Amino acid sequence: GESVGLHLPTLSVQEGDNSIINCAYSNSASDYFIWYKQESGKGPQFIIDIRSNMDKRQGQRVTVLLNKTVKHLSLQIAATQPGDSAVYFCAERLYSGGGADGLTFGKGTHLIIQP
Amino acid sequence: NAGVMQNPRHLVRRRGQEARLRCSPMKGHSHVYWYRQLPEEGLKFMVYLQKENIIDESGMPKERFSAEFPKEGPSILRIQQVVRGDSAAYFCASSPGGFSGNTIYFGEGSWLTVV
Repeated sequence: GESVGLHLPTLSVQEGDNSIINCAYSNSASDYFIWYKQESGKGPQFIIDIRSNMDKRQGQRVTVLLNKTVKHLSLQIAATQPGDSAVYFCAERLYSGGGADGLTFGKGTHLIIQP
Repeated sequence: NAGVMQNPRHLVRRRGQEARLRCSPMKGHSHVYWYRQLPEEGLKFMVYLQKENIIDESGMPKERFSAEFPKEGPSILRIQQVVRGDSAAYFCASSPGGFSGNTIYFGEGSWLTVV
């Protein structure tokens, strides 16, 4: 399954299919990006990160793609499993030389796995 | 190897009371961040602290909210005279450094309910 548009509150995919979750970030000066997974009642769990000097980074079953031209970030999950059901947030971070250093989170996409 | 520890996990307060939320960062981490999450929304940055210093509190409401990270002991997020709108999940995160490229790890959150 593939999400359409830059933000989709809910994405439903079949178990075993690949999932693509998209995110538009806001600040062209952001130089570090993270994807988090949040299950109900739990804190955000780190999935994968990427620096702005990279276009692509791969982890175990996950790939993050960064397109700085259009300020777009995507998370690809291969062979989606039931345990992947969660809300996925992208976050951008701006290094300002010791000043504001918090993450700015996107709105999140709820990934639902159909059996 | 304990992660970010938050307590209490759940807290109920009557309007007008005080809420104190505690956060112990991961071992070796000296940077702490507090975020707030309202139901069905993403995380909003509140404050970034190092030991005995507030680095950035641009996300903190001007009144009733305060945060500290003393030389010894956990970071505390304090909310005075709570109102119903303060009901939310409050997440603490920590990182070893404050510049871009250091992954931020989150705790499991403290759920505040104001009745």
